[in-house]
Amino acid sequence: AQTVTQSQPEMSVQEAETVTLSCTYDTSESDYYLFWYKQPPSRQMILVIRQEAYKQQNATENRFSVNFQKAAKSFSLKISDSQLGDAAMYFCAYRSANNDMRFGAGTRLTVKP
Amino acid sequence: NAGVTQTPKFRILKIGQSMTLQCTQDMNHNYMYWYRQDPGMGLKLIYYSVGAGITDKGEVPNGYNVSRSTTEDFPLRLELAAPSQTSVYFCASRPWDRGVSGNTIYFGEGSWLTVV
Repeated sequence: AQTVTQSQPEMSVQEAETVTLSCTYDTSESDYYLFWYKQPPSRQMILVIRQEAYKQQNATENRFSVNFQKAAKSFSLKISDSQLGDAAMYFCAYRSANNDMRFGAGTRLTVKP
Repeated sequence: NAGVTQTPKFRILKIGQSMTLQCTQDMNHNYMYWYRQDPGMGLKLIYYSVGAGITDKGEVPNGYNVSRSTTEDFPLRLELAAPSQTSVYFCASRPWDRGVSGNTIYFGEGSWLTVV
């Protein structure tokens, strides 16, 4: 069964600094997608970045990048030049080819001015 | 634009009672999900649906049932409620779209259920 683990319940970063959020997952599938979502109080999950398992190149979206280590089943998120608006709950998510979608427990990120 | 609507928001059930959590979305989304979130824990997938008439079990389906007779509605049925089902339940939906919009997930506000 697929599981997603986020071992950092809370993280803190100084504005303009860099922070890395950790995520590991377990699966026996070869075809899947990994995501990082940001959740504001509205409960809508906003996509931050997405990685297809078959792609070796790490995904990048502006200040957000991932370190995808497929063999180690690790998928960490790096936020560069942190901004106050980055403060939120961040969820790592796994989606299988049949659209079963699982989330980690979340990491609450605080950005200090 | 209502998005994903869940009812009821709060409910207290006695052990052995049954109830249905309603979930409706008005965005014509193909994919719908039910999750539960226990205090201090992450989201656990109960059931999901990829379209009307199709449902599949998730991580923790025991004690629950779902149906998807229309695109809009995805009710979650609790049969013979147990204290272990005390949790917050979230319904979610997303569109079928290979682009970015297909990866945006819309959650309802949650339903707080206590079984005593």
